[in-house]
Amino acid sequence: DTGVSQDPRHKITKRGQNVTFRCDPISEHNRLYWYRQTLGQGPEFLTYFQNEAQLEKSRLLSDRFSAERPKGSFSTLEIQRTEQGDSAMYLCASSLAELYEQYFGPGTRLTVT
Amino acid sequence: ILNVEQSPQSLHVQEGDSTNFTCSFPSSNFYALHWYRWETAKSPEALFVMTLNGDEKKKGRISATLNTKEGYSYLYIKGSQPEDSATYLCALVDRGSTLGRLYFGRGTQLTVWP
Repeated sequence: DTGVSQDPRHKITKRGQNVTFRCDPISEHNRLYWYRQTLGQGPEFLTYFQNEAQLEKSRLLSDRFSAERPKGSFSTLEIQRTEQGDSAMYLCASSLAELYEQYFGPGTRLTVT
Repeated sequence: ILNVEQSPQSLHVQEGDSTNFTCSFPSSNFYALHWYRWETAKSPEALFVMTLNGDEKKKGRISATLNTKEGYSYLYIKGSQPEDSATYLCALVDRGSTLGRLYFGRGTQLTVWP
């Protein structure tokens, strides 16, 4: 297993368009997290899955954001009607359990023009 | 929202210098503390997960200490090398959370000059 992968690495889109990102976690990890990092800030929690169940969503995740993890494997994060404020680095991480280290992917850099 | 503070924001040192950073957090919320190293264009890499007051962990030239009662952790790098240049992030796992979500500080950006 080569670690957590994310696709695409970079995405440039026009305001109002929809975008979808994919995360492939380490195969035996049942926990999956999405974080977002904006300029000058640390990563901020967006949502969490245990297997296929989405157990927590941050208030940062507006109605335009939706995340899924079908069959408890890969996950997708979709942003509808993108806004310039959505420009950020979107990070995915997976782990074995709550006190274990989280393994991060390289992130998807979104730029909304 | 939990306030995790890191200082300094950035640091420039010469190769061979030793350096340290601080992470402070509300002690009443402590459950666990993570340290990560994030090099440009790469994935954040876990350095340490710390849970016990007085914990000291070491990985090569990097070590970390934890004081949960006063709410701080120090990260030390002995004999910095250019390859240590990265952003170092600390993150708190909140006592009230059983899910492991991380509250990150803004990071310390370290540049080591040859």
